[in-house]
Amino acid sequence: DAKTTQPNSMESNEEEPVHLPCNHSTISGTDYIHWYRQLPSQGPEYVIHGLTSNVNNRMASLAIAEDRKSSTLILHRATLRDAAVYYCILRDKKTSYDKVIFGPGTSLSVIP
Amino acid sequence: DAGITQSPRHKVTETGTPVTLRCHQTENHRYMYWYRQDPGHGLRLIHYSYGVKDTDKGEVSDGYSVSRSKTEDFLLTLESATSSQTSVYFCAIKSGITEAFFGQGTRLTVV
Repeated sequence: DAKTTQPNSMESNEEEPVHLPCNHSTISGTDYIHWYRQLPSQGPEYVIHGLTSNVNNRMASLAIAEDRKSSTLILHRATLRDAAVYYCILRDKKTSYDKVIFGPGTSLSVIP
Repeated sequence: DAGITQSPRHKVTETGTPVTLRCHQTENHRYMYWYRQDPGHGLRLIHYSYGVKDTDKGEVSDGYSVSRSKTEDFLLTLESATSSQTSVYFCAIKSGITEAFFGQGTRLTVV
């Protein structure tokens, strides 16, 4: 399975944009890039996913490099509620039968 | 909520006793997963199911068994609980390549 690499932790000031990087240099052509986050004392929740093109939804934006070897989750205006662990995961689109393996993720702190 | 319920939410049990955790869904999703989460290790996959009576091992399956006799229920059993199985356990469901939905977790303490 292709692996992802993320920084262990990041800090952001409240109301400023946050760019969370993810490297996936061994990504295959059929891997989707998924992002989840886990708020304190809760289960993970889905944030966004993409394949090749940049994606936007109400929670965040996903910017995917042209060679697809890296991606960036963008929170446009960080709030205190965005303090969480963010996970970047690769999911093979050829099969829905995938294990959904998590790495250590990035712990985001938001400073008031 | 995504229609996924874990029970119990908290449990304290003694070493050597059997323990069963239940994951119940109302979404009719085909795939179900059990994870454990420990400080310093993040989320680790224990077992998963891709249909009724179809299950497979994940990353850390030793000491755990699972069963899925109905689409809506996925049971995780610790045959003989050990202190190393003290953890927070999460269940997840999904229908395909789409996003997975997670339960609120079960905090298990083995004393």
